[in-house]
Amino acid sequence: DAGVIQSPRHEVTEMGQEVTLRCKPISGHNSLFWYRQTMMRGLELLIYFNNNVPIDDSGMPEDRFSAKMPNASFSTLKIQPSEPRDSAVYFCASRGLAGGPGANVLTFGAGSRLTVL
Amino acid sequence: GQSLEQPSEVTAVEGAIVQINCTYQTSGFYGLSWYQQHDGGAPTFLSYNGLDGLEETGRFSSFLSRSDSYGYLLLQELQMKDSASYFCAASNSGYALNFGKGTSLLVTP
Repeated sequence: DAGVIQSPRHEVTEMGQEVTLRCKPISGHNSLFWYRQTMMRGLELLIYFNNNVPIDDSGMPEDRFSAKMPNASFSTLKIQPSEPRDSAVYFCASRGLAGGPGANVLTFGAGSRLTVL
Repeated sequence: GQSLEQPSEVTAVEGAIVQINCTYQTSGFYGLSWYQQHDGGAPTFLSYNGLDGLEETGRFSSFLSRSDSYGYLLLQELQMKDSASYFCAASNSGYALNFGKGTSLLVTP
């Protein structure tokens, strides 16, 4: 398996522009997580999905952020409009079925480093 | 609510043993995990404790005490490549995973 695949790896954009980050989870995993990592705030859970359904989005900072999971193999995190304080590394992670061998293991993608000027 | 506390930095000598502590306050607590992250990399899974006690995986061990809301990661026979950030993470009954701020471990010669 190729692991969790994220794109783009790096994005530099200007304030006010729309940013879309993409994630392909590991095949067969049914939970998907979006995290944001900064030096100040550490790894923050933004939102997570079970079976493509958003379960908890309380970590989404504000209405400028939205996430979708239209099918089991794809998710997007969108920021519109972007602001300099959104600059961070955004990680996607997936996890296997509850009760299965990987139930307690999150596998992370390589991350998308976002810089908003 | 969710909060996890761990030291921000630890320094140890190659070959030594180091313990990284983690205290948590998590509603609906389910288990405690540990992840390692090297600079510029992604977090990778090290261990999980769902029950009280010690879990051993090679040079790494992890411990959980539910009654004390406390756990630790023990790294033995430290190697230079162990220099990284280590995160404890608490899962709740909804299977969300919330991370602490991380402990930066520096292994010196």
